[in-house]
Amino acid sequence: QVQLVESGGGLVKPGGSLRLSCAASGFTFSDYYMSWIRQAPGKGLEWVSYISSSGSTIYYADSVKGRFTISRDNAKNSLYLQMNSLRAEDTAVYYCARTWELLRKNWFDPWGQGTLVTVSS
Amino acid sequence: SYVLTQPPSVSVAPGQTARITCGGNNIGSKSVHWYQQKPGQAPVLVVYDDSDRPSGIPERFSGSNSGNTATLTISRVEAGDEADYYCQVWDSSSDHAVFGGGTQLTVL
Repeated sequence: QVQLVESGGGLVKPGGSLRLSCAASGFTFSDYYMSWIRQAPGKGLEWVSYISSSGSTIYYADSVKGRFTISRDNAKNSLYLQMNSLRAEDTAVYYCARTWELLRKNWFDPWGQGTLVTVSS
Repeated sequence: SYVLTQPPSVSVAPGQTARITCGGNNIGSKSVHWYQQKPGQAPVLVVYDDSDRPSGIPERFSGSNSGNTATLTISRVEAGDEADYYCQVWDSSSDHAVFGGGTQLTVL
């Protein structure tokens, strides 16, 4: 079955860096767009970034642009999120999600279980 | 940037019909997707492209979209439907995904 497993979360000081990974299985990873979506504690969902199947098209939310970098390794069935210059407001559970791109009607299914990133001194 | 507005909460008795709205400027021209999130769990897609249901989602879940409002309708509500529900669109003008603020469904 389709499975997405995030890892790499943890406690980091403001200004620090962290790299999240998402291991995909149960589907042809290289055929699908992928995204990162986050959820601050007790808050709603916030889209973070999106990458096309080949990696040639990438978009970021304004809140992370210039600080976060999304990438993928199709040979390893893995998605990544390099997070630099972290701020307290980046504290959240980060989910990776398979992205269905159909005539720019993008939606997310399924989602991984999430990994918690805490930015605090 | 595009904004989606949802009511913070909706309450319904078991067996009744719940309607959760998602408002946005001319949202009827966009494709709307809905997610269910239970406490401590990842979101699950329940409706995509306004009114289509993924496999495994009960027929009780349906969606519609017109004008400035999209609606997720849950018929014959069960206790297990209690969750947060989020609407989402892709804003082509900014190439950003946008989520509504979420609606907490309470089954009385």
